[in-house]
Amino acid sequence: EAGVAQSPRYKIIEKRQSVAFWCNPISGHATLYWYQQILGQGPKLLIQFQNNGVVDDSQLPKDRFSAERLKGVDSTLKIQPAKLEDSAVYLCASSLELAGGDEQFFGPGTRLTVL
Amino acid sequence: AQSVTQLDSHVSVSEGTPVLLRCNYSSSYSPSLFWYVQHPNKGLQLLLKYTSAATLVKGINGFEAEFKKSETSFHLTKPSAHMSDAAEYFCVVSDLSGTYKYIFGTGTRLKVLA
Repeated sequence: EAGVAQSPRYKIIEKRQSVAFWCNPISGHATLYWYQQILGQGPKLLIQFQNNGVVDDSQLPKDRFSAERLKGVDSTLKIQPAKLEDSAVYLCASSLELAGGDEQFFGPGTRLTVL
Repeated sequence: AQSVTQLDSHVSVSEGTPVLLRCNYSSSYSPSLFWYVQHPNKGLQLLLKYTSAATLVKGINGFEAEFKKSETSFHLTKPSAHMSDAAEYFCVVSDLSGTYKYIFGTGTRLKVLA
């Protein structure tokens, strides 16, 4: 079974530039998550999709971050414009269902450096 | 609201000695609890999970954890550490109030000394 795919793996940009990350979840997984992991901290949920609908985006900085999941499969996360404090690893995860106790499968992440 | 506290940011053990990584949680509901491991430049991998069945949970690579409701703890143990166990470990509580989102602890970095 193929895992969660993410690209790019690394990205370096200047502040105020824009950037986009792509995620392809495990086939058949209805729920998709984007996390931000700042160095030395645990991952923080940014947005959660169930199929192509948003379940939770309470911690997404909506003035600069946006995400979509067209057709309930792939997803993109965009930052526009980027700030220095956005430097982090962005993790995508997916799970079969939206249910307590359901395991989330994580991709390798995209490491973003904002200069 | 749910939260999780990992009591040690760094733990060092010698190879072949026991491992104990401590986690306390706060939850208004009967929680689901997980331990994930993150090796450098790799994705998070599930070690084990508790979902209100047996309180002693066995996971991969010889790890286990015991759910203690009275102590609100979910500590991770392994009888004998291997060099390959060196990694970052995260305790996670799942919010059962509707969205089932994960709430991560701040992580414990395990160092295994030869």
